[in-house]
Amino acid sequence: GQQLNQSPQSMFIQEGEDVSMNCTSSSIFNTWLWYKQDPGEGPVLLIALYKAGELTSNGRLTAQFGITRKDSFLNISASIPSDVGIYFCAGAPPTNDYKLSFGAGTTVTVRA
Amino acid sequence: EAGVTQFPSHSVIEKGQTVTLRCDPISGHDNLYWYRRVMGKEIKFLLHFVKESKQDESGMPNNRFLAERTGGTYSTLKVQPAELEDSGVYFCASSSYYEQYFGPGTRLTVT
Repeated sequence: GQQLNQSPQSMFIQEGEDVSMNCTSSSIFNTWLWYKQDPGEGPVLLIALYKAGELTSNGRLTAQFGITRKDSFLNISASIPSDVGIYFCAGAPPTNDYKLSFGAGTTVTVRA
Repeated sequence: EAGVTQFPSHSVIEKGQTVTLRCDPISGHDNLYWYRRVMGKEIKFLLHFVKESKQDESGMPNNRFLAERTGGTYSTLKVQPAELEDSGVYFCASSSYYEQYFGPGTRLTVT
């Protein structure tokens, strides 16, 4: 599959902060998806993006499909403790809209 | 609406044994996928069913892995014989179109 570079690998949040993470690829994608995984659970779909330049929100989450089709970012505004978890980006290439490649994940934890 | 379910949630087997994982997709979803995440690595695609047909099995590691989806409903993934490197979390997902919904995963440990 395609290789996705997701950053940062981990981050600490303080309640109320805005946080941002992104994914880049050397290849173009037709679809970008963002998932969140809690311990012991499977990834939960947060946002799906289908068009270059598309900006989509889901509550305090906002994600954008990069204009080059090679990147996407996810923003979380006014973070709360339940935002902790692992966030994954995933993309599907033009050759196969169903075959997702995943980033390695961004682990979000609460700053003590 | 019930989500994707997987059974068992955990399995510990010895090298050389056989294990069968089961996935029940969301009702009405024709597309069913298997993925795997090994420790510290990214989630990787294994294969994709459309109804009972294998649409893409390019991610299957080797012929010790066999996936089936008889009748186009639930799916099984059999590993025979299991090797140490097969340890990881196996996820199943299903979709109507492009948005894939994941199950909780089966954590497989091969000792």
